[in-house]
Amino acid sequence: GNSVTQMEGPVTLSEEAFLTINCTYTATGYPSLFWYVQYPGEGLQLLLKATKADDKGSNKGFEATYRKETTSFHLEKGSVQVSDSAVYFCALINDYKLSFGAGTTVTVRA
Amino acid sequence: GAGVSQSPSNKVTEKGKDVELRCDPISGHTALYWYRQRLGQGLEFLIYFQGNSAPDKSGLPSDRFSAERTGESVSTLTIQRTQQEDSAVYLCASSFGTRTDTQYFGPGTRLTVL
Repeated sequence: GNSVTQMEGPVTLSEEAFLTINCTYTATGYPSLFWYVQYPGEGLQLLLKATKADDKGSNKGFEATYRKETTSFHLEKGSVQVSDSAVYFCALINDYKLSFGAGTTVTVRA
Repeated sequence: GAGVSQSPSNKVTEKGKDVELRCDPISGHTALYWYRQRLGQGLEFLIYFQGNSAPDKSGLPSDRFSAERTGESVSTLTIQRTQQEDSAVYLCASSFGTRTDTQYFGPGTRLTVL
């Protein structure tokens, strides 16, 4: 079956620090991979996606590379801001169904 | 519309009552999905529609849960005889409908069963 494992939080950082959230997956076939973000009081938003091996998704300074050999899709940002405080979910889609990780809460302090 | 909409945004009900949750997908999206997010947990898949048929109902937790969709439009998730463990945020998403298309989420309905 399909499953996603992501780094447990919570993660607390200072502004301008480097952020990494690890994500690994198990899937049959060729899933697409996603990072979704949920800001406080808001709904789930797509942050970035990658549809095949070695693709890099990027948005708002965040990046993640689809690594088939390590079945990973780690999220990185070089310099976080207070406005990046949110819950981040790694997800994969295979045969229409999204499978989500448990979410990582990130708090950025000024 | 501009995005996926859901109603109500909040619902408080008593144990044993029935509830209906509504989802209005993005115009032109043929696929519609329901998920559940319990407090502090990731999302659980409930059901998927392609048009008005439901090829995958595998995530529905029990026969108290049912869903229907009118054409490629509104969907209703119904929970009968609600239990306290049904308390969660119910999220709807829609997509263009291929097997790996991006799903866009609505704001959710927060259900509290007392």
